[in-house]
Amino acid sequence: GQNIDQPTEMTATEGAIVQINCTYQTSGFNGLFWYQQHAGEAPTFLSYNVLDGLEEKGRFSSFLSRSKGYSYLLLKELQMKDSASYLCAVRGSGNTGKLIFGQGTTLQVKP
Amino acid sequence: DVKVTQSSRYLVKRTGEKVFLECVQDMDHENMFWYRQDPGLGLRLIYFSYDVKMKEKGDIPEGYSVSREKKERFSLILESASTNQTSMYLCASSIRPKGYGYTFGSGTRLTVV
Repeated sequence: GQNIDQPTEMTATEGAIVQINCTYQTSGFNGLFWYQQHAGEAPTFLSYNVLDGLEEKGRFSSFLSRSKGYSYLLLKELQMKDSASYLCAVRGSGNTGKLIFGQGTTLQVKP
Repeated sequence: DVKVTQSSRYLVKRTGEKVFLECVQDMDHENMFWYRQDPGLGLRLIYFSYDVKMKEKGDIPEGYSVSREKKERFSLILESASTNQTSMYLCASSIRPKGYGYTFGSGTRLTVV
């Protein structure tokens, strides 16, 4: 079957660093995405990894190991506005672009 | 600014009603998707379409149908709404074959009473 696992909830302190992990087992792999979703809003794109390694974009970085079926999203210098759900999604084989989502990790940033 | 627009932000419908959720994108994307999002379950794929008049079932198609008569519009139909279809419905689109992920609409919060 296809499965994507990520922690349900995390709490961190403003200014700190937090790492959100995602493990996956899917039939085929054509990239891994991270989305941010604030309460009551649509998900917005954060990052995309298709090759092993680290992709950095400002305060956010995402890492991928295809051999381990593992990714993480690293958020640095946390701000209160980073309180949101973070969705890990994998694009499988085929050309439809279909994404399979994990259940999401709700991050609460405290002062 | 590219956009995926869902016709309603909030809807309240009665059990047994036929419900139409509309989604329009202005990016000329081939692929369009309907998901529902429930606490603890994440986003689950209902149906998707990779071309006009083409559709494929996702993971949870029961009780739903779709229509794609034009490239820019993808409609989700609840044939006879039930209370267990109360959910947040998200439409998304992407480029084929290897687009840069999805662009999401703002979502429709449907309550069936």
